[in-house]
Amino acid sequence: NAGVTQTPKFRVLKTGQSMTLLCAQDMNHEYMYWYRQDPGMGLRLIHYSVGEGTTAKGEVPDGYNVSRLKKQNFLLGLESAAPSQTSVYFCASTEDRWDQPQHFGDGTRLSIL
Amino acid sequence: AQKVTQAQTEISVVEKEDVTLDCVYETRDTTYYLFWYKQPPSGELVFLIRRNSFDEQNEISGRYSWNFQKSTSSFNFTITASQVVDSAVYFCALSEAPNAGKSTFGDGTTLTVKP
Repeated sequence: NAGVTQTPKFRVLKTGQSMTLLCAQDMNHEYMYWYRQDPGMGLRLIHYSVGEGTTAKGEVPDGYNVSRLKKQNFLLGLESAAPSQTSVYFCASTEDRWDQPQHFGDGTRLSIL
Repeated sequence: AQKVTQAQTEISVVEKEDVTLDCVYETRDTTYYLFWYKQPPSGELVFLIRRNSFDEQNEISGRYSWNFQKSTSSFNFTITASQVVDSAVYFCALSEAPNAGKSTFGDGTTLTVKP
């Protein structure tokens, strides 16, 4: 039972570098989300998707881009990493119902030097 | 706009003590769901419980219980006879209908249970 899988688990980048975080879910969920978690600030929504080919901005979208080319995958991109993007990133998915809990991946710890 | 407040940033108790984690929410909707998630030191987020806005029945599951009161917009979580394994960050979240399943999370309460 894989559930939601995030790769990589850890990454260190230099300022200005780019990278892509991959989220894959095997539960056939329609909705997928990317969050960042910073100390004392809970989870903040970066971008989300309500289905294959769709994306939308969340609370803190600046500096990030996303794509959902396949239903099971949701990619988060950093085009030019900045130290302020040092954080733990979580991907989550849920059924296409607003009343369901979200299923989370194990997180990606990203450090930008 | 929806908002979730967990005023307790950190709580420390000794094993076997009871502890209550507070959650206060704001919403203009009459239809919504509330959730609690647990994040142990290993880092993953685990769903614990959900409650809809039309069901104010309290719930008990083993040592865990939840008290939902619409009159005070609160959804508090109590752990009875706490154990070291309960040490974690606990998040309360609110989802309004319909909202693409998006949830607004509180900032979390870090619970430390000492042996």
